[in-house]
Amino acid sequence: EDKVVQSPLSLVVHEGDTVTLNCSYEVTNFRSLLWYKQEKKAPTFLFMLTSSGIEKKSGRLSSILDKKELFSILNITATQTGDSAVYLCAVPNAGGTSYGKLTFGQGTILTVHP
Amino acid sequence: DGGITQSPKYLFRKEGQNVTLSCEQNLNHDAMYWYRQDPGQGLRLIYYSQIVNDFQKGDIAEGYSVSREKKESFPLTVTSAQKNPTAFYLCASSTGGSPLHFGNGTRLTVT
Repeated sequence: EDKVVQSPLSLVVHEGDTVTLNCSYEVTNFRSLLWYKQEKKAPTFLFMLTSSGIEKKSGRLSSILDKKELFSILNITATQTGDSAVYLCAVPNAGGTSYGKLTFGQGTILTVHP
Repeated sequence: DGGITQSPKYLFRKEGQNVTLSCEQNLNHDAMYWYRQDPGQGLRLIYYSQIVNDFQKGDIAEGYSVSREKKESFPLTVTSAQKNPTAFYLCASSTGGSPLHFGNGTRLTVT
């Protein structure tokens, strides 16, 4: 059974801080790992990682995958109050041919105070 | 703008009643999905459909039913057989190798 574990489960920081969110996984036939941001309602896609060691970057957010150690990290630098959200990590299920059948981690609740 | 519309946003029902959650998409995506989200847990897959008139059970299908009569629509019925129906329900769609695109969810409370 595929498994995704995120840590920490919650994190409180102040604006300007840098945070690192962790995601470890156990999956048969790994294809990719995805990060989503959820602000109260619809999760929105952030990154898809397929290759080990290659950093994906978007503004202040970046993510990297380590396929040997089976984990990924999501970094957010110079945090802002708008970064407050639940960050979800997910992997496509074994045997699936699409990226829609996902196993999600519990999520990390990030709260950024002014 | 293309997107996924879930309705209603909030739904309250008495125990023992069936309830249907609506999900409509105008993204022309082939595949649609229903996930359930509970506090402290990740999203869990209920049902999914990759083409019209066909659907498969996900990890927690017991107590739920779906239909896919049109490409745009994938309604979810929460039946009285679902033991813990109170949750946040998310509908999503995808096409090809694209990541999931989610709707804004329906929060169902059963008392």
